[in-house]
Amino acid sequence: QVQLVQSGAEVKKPGASVKVSCKASGYTFTGYYLHWVRQAPGQGLEWMGWINPNNGVTNYAQKFQGWVSMTRDTSISTAYMELSRLRSDDTALYYCARDQGGASAVFHFDYWGQGSLVTVSS
Amino acid sequence: QSALTQPASVSGSPGQSITISCTGSSSDVGGYNYVSWYQKHPGKAPKLMIYDVDYRPSGVSDRFSGSKSGNTASLTISGLQAEDEADYFCSSYTSSSTVVFGGGTKLTVL
Repeated sequence: QVQLVQSGAEVKKPGASVKVSCKASGYTFTGYYLHWVRQAPGQGLEWMGWINPNNGVTNYAQKFQGWVSMTRDTSISTAYMELSRLRSDDTALYYCARDQGGASAVFHFDYWGQGSLVTVSS
Repeated sequence: QSALTQPASVSGSPGQSITISCTGSSSDVGGYNYVSWYQKHPGKAPKLMIYDVDYRPSGVSDRFSGSKSGNTASLTISGLQAEDEADYFCSSYTSSSTVVFGGGTKLTVL
């Protein structure tokens, strides 16, 4: 069965960076786009960007351009999201989510990771 | 890219029907049939309920339906059940090849 298993909770100081992992299983990792979505406490969902695991091409939401990096390691079917220059308002639950479309993204998400809590606090 | 506009809350009694709206622009909701709806219970990951405006994934109850008119999409839940109480988020593909979510709607089953 399809599973996306994310790394555990992190506590970071303002200005630091965090790297969250998302390990895929149960399907061909390179065959589906992966997206990253976050939810701050009491807030809505916020889309951050996508990565095509087949070739590493990425597209980020304008808000995150310059301070987010999405990468992947196909040898271990794992995607990564790194956010730099963290601020307190980056405290959120970060999700990876699989695009249902396969080789061509369709921009809706059929499987989600369990979420990784990132807390930014001095 | 501004978030899509959803009502903050809606409510209904068991057995009734409710509709949640999601308003965007011609650059997102109005320009593409790539509108999706997600159900989110506290402490759980979002669940895809509707995609491409009005398609239901396998396993989703037919009490859930979607539609779109112009720049506004809607999610209708008929025959409300206690288990439907959750937050609902719409999303849309945009002209920048990105995704934008709505602010979310809290559904209360009275």
